[in-house]
Amino acid sequence: AQRVTQPEKLLSVFKGAPVELKCNYSYSGSPELFWYVQYSRQRLQLLLRHISRESIKGFTADLNKGETSFHLKKPFAQEEDSAMYYCALSGHSGNQFYFGTGTSLTVIP
Amino acid sequence: DAGITQSPRHKVTETGTPVTLRCHQTENHRYMYWYRQDPGHGLRLIHYSYGVKDTDKGEVSDGYSVSRSKTEDFLLTLESATSSQTSVYFCAIRGTSRDGDEQFFGPGTRLTVL
Repeated sequence: AQRVTQPEKLLSVFKGAPVELKCNYSYSGSPELFWYVQYSRQRLQLLLRHISRESIKGFTADLNKGETSFHLKKPFAQEEDSAMYYCALSGHSGNQFYFGTGTSLTVIP
Repeated sequence: DAGITQSPRHKVTETGTPVTLRCHQTENHRYMYWYRQDPGHGLRLIHYSYGVKDTDKGEVSDGYSVSRSKTEDFLLTLESATSSQTSVYFCAIRGTSRDGDEQFFGPGTRLTVL
Protein backbone atom coordinates (compact mmCIF):
# COMPACT_ATOMS: atom_id res chain seq x y z
CA ALA A 1 0.00 0.00 0.00
CA GLN A 2 1.11 3.51 -0.68
CA ARG A 3 0.84 6.05 2.10
CA VAL A 4 1.89 9.61 2.57
CA THR A 5 1.82 11.08 6.06
CA GLN A 6 1.96 14.74 6.94
CA PRO A 7 1.80 14.85 10.73
CA GLU A 8 1.14 18.58 11.07
CA LYS A 9 -2.25 19.93 10.00
CA LEU A 10 -1.35 23.47 11.01
CA LEU A 11 2.02 25.17 11.30
CA SER A 12 2.73 28.76 12.25
CA VAL A 13 6.10 30.44 12.10
CA PHE A 14 7.30 34.02 12.31
CA LYS A 15 8.59 35.81 9.25
CA GLY A 16 12.29 35.20 8.86
CA ALA A 17 12.25 32.01 10.92
CA PRO A 18 13.16 28.62 9.44
CA VAL A 19 10.31 26.36 8.46
CA GLU A 20 10.13 22.60 7.99
CA LEU A 21 7.05 20.74 6.80
CA LYS A 22 7.28 17.05 7.47
CA CYS A 23 6.39 14.27 5.08
CA ASN A 24 6.89 10.56 5.54
CA TYR A 25 5.97 7.91 3.05
CA SER A 26 5.46 4.20 2.80
CA TYR A 27 6.04 2.52 -0.53
CA SER A 28 7.36 -0.85 -1.61
CA GLY A 29 9.72 0.37 -4.29
CA SER A 30 11.30 3.60 -5.49
CA PRO A 31 8.66 6.28 -5.64
CA GLU A 32 8.82 9.76 -6.99
CA LEU A 33 8.05 12.41 -4.38
CA PHE A 34 6.54 15.82 -4.89
CA TRP A 35 5.47 18.88 -2.96
CA TYR A 36 2.40 20.73 -4.20
CA VAL A 37 1.27 24.13 -2.92
CA GLN A 38 -2.14 25.76 -2.93
CA TYR A 39 -2.24 29.50 -2.30
CA SER A 40 -5.49 31.08 -1.19
CA ARG A 41 -8.15 30.83 -3.89
CA GLN A 42 -5.76 29.30 -6.39
CA ARG A 43 -5.38 25.85 -7.89
CA LEU A 44 -2.79 23.38 -6.69
CA GLN A 45 0.54 23.69 -8.38
CA LEU A 46 3.76 21.77 -8.25
CA LEU A 47 6.35 23.33 -5.97
CA LEU A 48 9.16 20.84 -6.40
CA ARG A 49 9.99 17.20 -7.03
CA HIS A 50 12.81 15.16 -5.61
CA ILE A 51 14.44 14.19 -8.88
CA SER A 52 14.99 17.75 -10.01
CA ARG A 53 16.86 18.66 -6.79
CA GLU A 54 16.11 22.32 -7.41
CA SER A 55 15.36 25.06 -4.95
CA ILE A 56 12.04 26.71 -5.76
CA LYS A 57 11.04 29.95 -4.01
CA GLY A 58 13.78 29.17 -1.48
CA PHE A 59 12.31 25.76 -0.62
CA THR A 60 14.26 22.54 -0.75
CA ALA A 61 13.37 18.95 0.01
CA ASP A 62 15.68 15.99 0.30
CA LEU A 63 14.55 12.44 -0.15
CA ASN A 64 15.81 10.31 2.74
CA LYS A 65 15.21 6.72 1.76
CA GLY A 66 16.48 5.38 5.08
CA GLU A 67 13.92 7.39 7.03
CA THR A 68 11.39 7.35 4.17
CA SER A 69 11.00 11.08 4.50
CA PHE A 70 10.75 14.04 2.16
CA HIS A 71 10.60 17.06 4.42
CA LEU A 72 10.20 20.52 2.91
CA LYS A 73 12.46 23.23 4.28
CA LYS A 74 13.08 26.92 3.92
CA PRO A 75 15.65 28.83 5.97
CA PHE A 76 13.75 32.14 6.15
CA ALA A 77 9.97 32.10 5.87
CA GLN A 78 8.18 34.91 4.06
CA GLU A 79 4.57 36.05 4.41
CA GLU A 80 3.83 34.98 0.85
CA ASP A 81 4.70 31.40 1.82
CA SER A 82 1.43 31.14 3.73
CA ALA A 83 -0.49 28.39 1.93
CA MET A 84 -1.57 24.77 2.06
CA TYR A 85 1.21 22.32 1.26
CA TYR A 86 0.68 18.75 0.10
CA CYS A 87 3.27 16.04 -0.12
CA ALA A 88 2.57 13.50 -2.86
CA LEU A 89 3.94 10.22 -4.10
CA SER A 90 3.85 8.62 -7.52
CA GLY A 91 4.64 4.96 -7.97
CA HIS A 92 6.24 2.95 -10.75
CA SER A 93 3.52 3.36 -13.31
CA GLY A 94 2.92 7.01 -12.63
CA ASN A 95 -0.77 6.43 -13.15
CA GLN A 96 -1.79 7.50 -9.69
CA PHE A 97 -0.61 10.09 -7.26
CA TYR A 98 -1.13 9.67 -3.51
CA PHE A 99 -1.46 12.83 -1.50
CA GLY A 100 -0.96 13.51 2.16
CA THR A 101 -3.56 15.30 4.24
CA GLY A 102 -1.83 18.63 3.84
CA THR A 103 -0.20 21.17 6.14
CA SER A 104 -1.54 24.70 6.38
CA LEU A 105 1.39 27.05 6.85
CA THR A 106 0.88 30.52 8.28
CA VAL A 107 3.76 32.95 8.35
CA ILE A 108 3.21 35.58 11.00
CA PRO A 109 4.46 39.08 10.13
CA ASP B 1 -2.95 26.15 -16.21
CA ALA B 2 -2.39 23.33 -18.75
CA GLY B 3 -5.70 24.19 -20.40
CA ILE B 4 -7.88 22.65 -17.70
CA THR B 5 -11.27 24.11 -16.88
CA GLN B 6 -14.04 22.92 -14.61
CA SER B 7 -17.72 23.70 -14.66
CA PRO B 8 -19.61 24.76 -12.74
CA ARG B 9 -17.25 26.48 -10.34
CA HIS B 10 -19.84 26.61 -7.60
CA LYS B 11 -23.01 24.63 -7.07
CA VAL B 12 -25.57 24.32 -4.33
CA THR B 13 -27.97 21.42 -4.56
CA GLU B 14 -30.32 19.42 -2.40
CA THR B 15 -29.93 15.94 -1.03
CA GLY B 16 -31.12 13.29 -3.45
CA THR B 17 -30.64 15.29 -6.64
CA PRO B 18 -28.24 14.22 -9.39
CA VAL B 19 -25.22 16.40 -10.05
CA THR B 20 -22.71 16.32 -12.89
CA LEU B 21 -19.39 18.13 -12.82
CA ARG B 22 -17.40 18.63 -15.98
CA CYS B 23 -13.67 18.75 -16.52
CA HIS B 24 -12.42 19.95 -19.87
CA GLN B 25 -8.85 19.93 -21.19
CA THR B 26 -7.48 21.31 -24.40
CA GLU B 27 -4.14 19.52 -24.69
CA ASN B 28 -5.12 15.94 -25.52
CA HIS B 29 -3.81 14.36 -22.32
CA ARG B 30 -4.58 10.70 -21.88
CA TYR B 31 -4.88 10.56 -18.09
CA MET B 32 -7.49 12.56 -16.19
CA TYR B 33 -8.41 12.42 -12.52
CA TRP B 34 -11.13 13.53 -10.11
CA TYR B 35 -10.23 14.31 -6.50
CA ARG B 36 -12.15 15.66 -3.59
CA GLN B 37 -10.52 17.96 -1.06
CA ASP B 38 -11.73 17.95 2.54
CA PRO B 39 -10.21 19.39 5.71
CA GLY B 40 -8.28 16.73 7.57
CA HIS B 41 -8.35 14.36 4.62
CA GLY B 42 -6.40 16.27 2.04
CA LEU B 43 -6.88 15.19 -1.55
CA ARG B 44 -8.49 11.82 -2.17
CA LEU B 45 -8.82 10.20 -5.55
CA ILE B 46 -12.37 9.42 -6.65
CA HIS B 47 -11.91 8.03 -10.16
CA TYR B 48 -9.45 8.36 -12.94
CA SER B 49 -9.38 7.73 -16.67
CA TYR B 50 -6.61 6.44 -18.88
CA GLY B 51 -8.37 6.97 -22.18
CA VAL B 52 -11.72 7.32 -23.86
CA LYS B 53 -14.16 4.95 -22.17
CA ASP B 54 -11.36 3.65 -19.90
CA THR B 55 -11.85 4.50 -16.25
CA ASP B 56 -10.95 3.05 -12.88
CA LYS B 57 -11.91 3.58 -9.28
CA GLY B 58 -9.92 5.51 -6.75
CA GLU B 59 -9.89 5.54 -2.99
CA VAL B 60 -13.35 7.07 -2.45
CA SER B 61 -15.43 6.03 -5.44
CA ASP B 62 -18.65 5.03 -3.65
CA GLY B 63 -21.53 7.28 -4.66
CA TYR B 64 -19.73 8.58 -7.74
CA SER B 65 -19.61 7.56 -11.37
CA VAL B 66 -17.57 8.94 -14.26
CA SER B 67 -17.68 8.97 -18.01
CA ARG B 68 -15.23 9.86 -20.72
CA SER B 69 -16.74 9.74 -24.17
CA LYS B 70 -14.09 11.99 -25.70
CA THR B 71 -10.54 12.81 -24.81
CA GLU B 72 -11.14 16.37 -23.72
CA ASP B 73 -14.02 15.82 -21.28
CA PHE B 74 -14.17 13.83 -18.05
CA LEU B 75 -17.50 13.96 -16.25
CA LEU B 76 -18.11 13.20 -12.60
CA THR B 77 -21.68 12.32 -11.61
CA LEU B 78 -23.25 12.09 -8.20
CA GLU B 79 -26.35 10.03 -8.92
CA SER B 80 -28.08 11.06 -5.71
CA ALA B 81 -26.16 13.70 -3.82
CA THR B 82 -25.72 13.41 -0.06
CA SER B 83 -24.50 15.96 2.48
CA SER B 84 -21.29 13.95 2.91
CA GLN B 85 -20.45 14.81 -0.68
CA THR B 86 -20.21 18.49 0.15
CA SER B 87 -16.63 19.20 -0.83
CA VAL B 88 -14.31 20.92 -3.25
CA TYR B 89 -13.73 18.79 -6.34
CA PHE B 90 -10.57 19.04 -8.36
CA CYS B 91 -9.90 17.67 -11.77
CA ALA B 92 -6.33 16.95 -12.81
CA ILE B 93 -4.46 15.71 -15.83
CA ARG B 94 -1.18 13.89 -16.05
CA GLY B 95 1.13 15.98 -18.13
CA THR B 96 4.81 16.14 -18.88
CA SER B 97 7.11 18.96 -17.98
CA ARG B 98 10.83 19.37 -18.33
CA ASP B 99 11.57 17.03 -15.42
CA GLY B 100 8.98 14.36 -16.11
CA ASP B 101 5.36 13.56 -15.43
CA GLU B 102 3.34 15.58 -12.98
CA GLN B 103 -0.27 16.38 -12.29
CA PHE B 104 -1.78 19.67 -13.35
CA PHE B 105 -4.94 20.75 -11.60
CA GLY B 106 -8.10 22.55 -12.56
CA PRO B 107 -9.46 25.48 -10.55
CA GLY B 108 -11.87 23.38 -8.51
CA THR B 109 -15.63 23.14 -8.07
CA ARG B 110 -17.16 23.94 -4.71
CA LEU B 111 -20.23 21.73 -4.20
CA THR B 112 -22.64 22.19 -1.33
CA VAL B 113 -25.33 19.57 -0.73
CA LEU B 114 -28.08 20.80 1.58
